[in-house]
Amino acid sequence: DAGVTQSPTHLIKTRGQQVTLRCSPKSGHDTVSWYQQALGQGPQFIFQYYEEEERQRGNFPDRFSGHQFPNYSSELNVNALLLGDSALYLCASSSPGLSYEQYFGPGTRLTVT
Amino acid sequence: AQSVTQLDSQVPVFEEAPVELRCNYSSSVSVYLFWYVQYPNQGLQLLLKYLSGSTLVKGINGFEAEFNKSQTSFHLRKPSVHISDTAEYFCAVSRTNNAGKSTFGDGTTLTVKP
Repeated sequence: DAGVTQSPTHLIKTRGQQVTLRCSPKSGHDTVSWYQQALGQGPQFIFQYYEEEERQRGNFPDRFSGHQFPNYSSELNVNALLLGDSALYLCASSSPGLSYEQYFGPGTRLTVT
Repeated sequence: AQSVTQLDSQVPVFEEAPVELRCNYSSSVSVYLFWYVQYPNQGLQLLLKYLSGSTLVKGINGFEAEFNKSQTSFHLRKPSVHISDTAEYFCAVSRTNNAGKSTFGDGTTLTVKP
């Protein structure tokens, strides 16, 4: 049983560009949450998707947007990249009725130059 | 809103010694509490969780934690550490009525020395 998978593993972008990160949840999971982990800090909640809709959002600007597909996979899009967006982006999934039991993927390391 | 404070940013310890990683939280509502471990260049792995019931929670790899409601603490302990326990440890909290959104501390780096 594959756990949560994320792609790509690493990528480098230039300020002002746009980026799309992808996440496939663990089998049987229908809820996907995205977190940003800056160097030396704990993960910060960006938003959560359930039934293809954004259900809740953390304190992140509108440059951060997402999408969930019918197969429960999800994308995180970041527009107009800033140097401060450089971080590890983590995806977590959970199953119906067990939203507290989050399984994390390995993350995507984004570097903005 | 919830907040989490991990009181030690770095904890060095010798192999086979006991260790305690301290975590305090703040919340005006009921919460669930978690400890995660992160090895270099990897995601987070759940060590243990407190949802309700017994305040002493046992997790994987020999770790345990004790929930203290009056102290608003959830300290992580292991009686004897191994070199392989060297990693970053995160304490997290989520509201019981909104469990899908977790608030994390800034982490404690545990370094186990031979």
